[in-house]
Amino acid sequence: EPEVTQTPSHQVTQMGQEVILRCVPISNHLYFYWYRQILGQKVEFLVSFYNNEISEKSEIFDDQFSVERPDGSNFTLKIRSTKLEDSAMYFCASSAPREGTYGYTFGSGTRLTVV
Amino acid sequence: SQQGEEDPQALSIQEGENATMNCSYKTSINNLQWYRQNSGRGLVHLILIRSNEREKHSGRLRVTLDTSKKSSSLLITASRAADTASYFCATDANDYKLSFGAGTTVTVRA
Repeated sequence: EPEVTQTPSHQVTQMGQEVILRCVPISNHLYFYWYRQILGQKVEFLVSFYNNEISEKSEIFDDQFSVERPDGSNFTLKIRSTKLEDSAMYFCASSAPREGTYGYTFGSGTRLTVV
Repeated sequence: SQQGEEDPQALSIQEGENATMNCSYKTSINNLQWYRQNSGRGLVHLILIRSNEREKHSGRLRVTLDTSKKSSSLLITASRAADTASYFCATDANDYKLSFGAGTTVTVRA
């Protein structure tokens, strides 16, 4: 069964550093998403991406964050100048069409720890 | 606006029993989805029910949707220890994003 792959599975970074979280969505999917889940809290929407541009973004997704699809397969989330409160599990997801018949496919997540 | 609030927050049942959890939401939706998350792991899509559907089955899962009450329920029949996980409902309001609830933590005792 096709999977969404996320790397790394764990990332520890110093406060103020930049991190790039990587995702390989399912190859024939058209819509891509990032969500995050702070420990013990809800899964929160960050951003959706379609046709090489952002479709929707939440209030969380401020100028500190950016997304990119640098080639035909990768989808990245960049967090500049990380803060302690950015520590969370970050999930990538994809779908095609937007919700598809089977919903979204999520990756296993990257656990980001900012120290 | 808050969407997809689950009830109860936690549920403990004996293996073989049924587990029922509910989800309420506030605005119109295109579809509602249920996901499972094992501790510290990724989200696994379980089932999607569209706004024009009332009930859907998938294996031991049964989902209902009542758009007049803005609520959904997930029933897991004949539960197994492997069903121990957190279950989330997520609403899709046709705006390119899912809104998740806080989840129901289900513990199935052997």
